[in-house]
Amino acid sequence: GAVVSQHPSRVICKSGTSVKIECRSLDFQATTMFWYRQFPKKSLMLMATSNEGSKATYEQGVEKDKFLINHASLTLSTLTVTSAHPEDSSFYICSARDFRSPGTQYFGPGTRLLVL
Amino acid sequence: GESVGLHLPTLSVQEGDNSIINCAYSNSASDYFIWYKQESGKGPQFIIDIRSNMDKRQGQRVTVLLNKTVKHLSLQIAATQPGDSAVYFCAERVTAAGNKLTFGGGTRVLVKP
Repeated sequence: GAVVSQHPSRVICKSGTSVKIECRSLDFQATTMFWYRQFPKKSLMLMATSNEGSKATYEQGVEKDKFLINHASLTLSTLTVTSAHPEDSSFYICSARDFRSPGTQYFGPGTRLLVL
Repeated sequence: GESVGLHLPTLSVQEGDNSIINCAYSNSASDYFIWYKQESGKGPQFIIDIRSNMDKRQGQRVTVLLNKTVKHLSLQIAATQPGDSAVYFCAERVTAAGNKLTFGGGTRVLVKP
């Protein structure tokens, strides 16, 4: 099956620093990738839709200058949490849509971010 | 199983028994539904999906039922095993509006040996 990887799997950073999370589709090309955020014991909340070669579309209430998304290739999207604060601590999950099977999303394993 | 308050609803089931997990979806325009399983510290794993032109779909040990009249979705797991312990989410999508998924609140399933 299609595999999506995320790196790093977990990261601890100091408040005020920026953190970059990578999402890669390993065996397929993804024209669209999605970024989700999940708080403990909560559901997944869509943050933004990332389209290759164009600007990401952010959901209401998500600060685009805070969460920078770049989708420079068909296999890689990055999420950068800028000037991270403790309230940004969360589980960030990406998913990728195979352009050959547009209705299917494959999820990555998630990245645990802890901001001290 | 919808999220209520600050905690996930939990379904405790004896190993070998059948499990039924419920989900009420919100958008009557949704035409595609998916059940995901999420183990602790991992991303969601696809279990089974169903389109709105169907009311039942079966997989290996799992069955999804869709009742569009009351906007209700259920996941049945037959002969529940310890490895089925996880959080289960339903997700809905309006295909014409793109591939954005809206996730339900989740239900934790605990399988007792």
